[in-house]
Amino acid sequence: GNSVTQMEGPVTLSEEAFLTINCTYTATGYPSLFWYVQYPGEGLQLLLKATKADDKGSNKGFEATYRKETTSFHLEKGSVQVSDSAVYFCALSAYSGNTPLVFGKGTRLSVIA
Amino acid sequence: DAGVTQSPTHLIKTRGQQVTLRCSPKSGHDTVSWYQQALGQGPQFIFQYYEEEERQRGNFPDRFSGHQFPNYSSELNVNALLLGDSALYLCASSWGALGSEQYFGPGTRLTVT
Repeated sequence: GNSVTQMEGPVTLSEEAFLTINCTYTATGYPSLFWYVQYPGEGLQLLLKATKADDKGSNKGFEATYRKETTSFHLEKGSVQVSDSAVYFCALSAYSGNTPLVFGKGTRLSVIA
Repeated sequence: DAGVTQSPTHLIKTRGQQVTLRCSPKSGHDTVSWYQQALGQGPQFIFQYYEEEERQRGNFPDRFSGHQFPNYSSELNVNALLLGDSALYLCASSWGALGSEQYFGPGTRLTVT
């Protein structure tokens, strides 16, 4: 079945450091890929998405590129801020955004000033 | 424009009891999906409702049931509660049966003692 594997945390970085959170997936066909963020005590917010190979999703300085050859969708940000501290989830859906999402276990990011 | 709302925010129940959680979708959305997020894990898909019918279901026992009302709001019912049902229950809404992004509510934290 479909699955998502992301790097385990927690990840602790200093402000302005470079961030990479690795995500790989297993799926049949051509899934859509997502990164969601969960701030403390809140639900999930869509951070960015990509629906086909080589697409790059970007939002709030975060980027991720859909790499079909390596089945990866790594999240990157050039300069993190304390306000980026949260749990980040990589997810896929089999066909489109409205089909059930399959999530990774999440990666907790802590950014210290 | 109101987003996805869920009630209650927190709930404490005893093993063997039954619980009902409620969700109101984002304005303009007609599809509701429910997810269970255990502590330290990614959300897992329970089921999805569209046009007042369960359209898709994840790997959850029949103790988990739901309903969608004509105004598109939804309920999640869990019978014969187990300690392992303690989790954050997330509702996500979207538009149409296919092809729409899912928006998540803040969740209901259920604790079973």
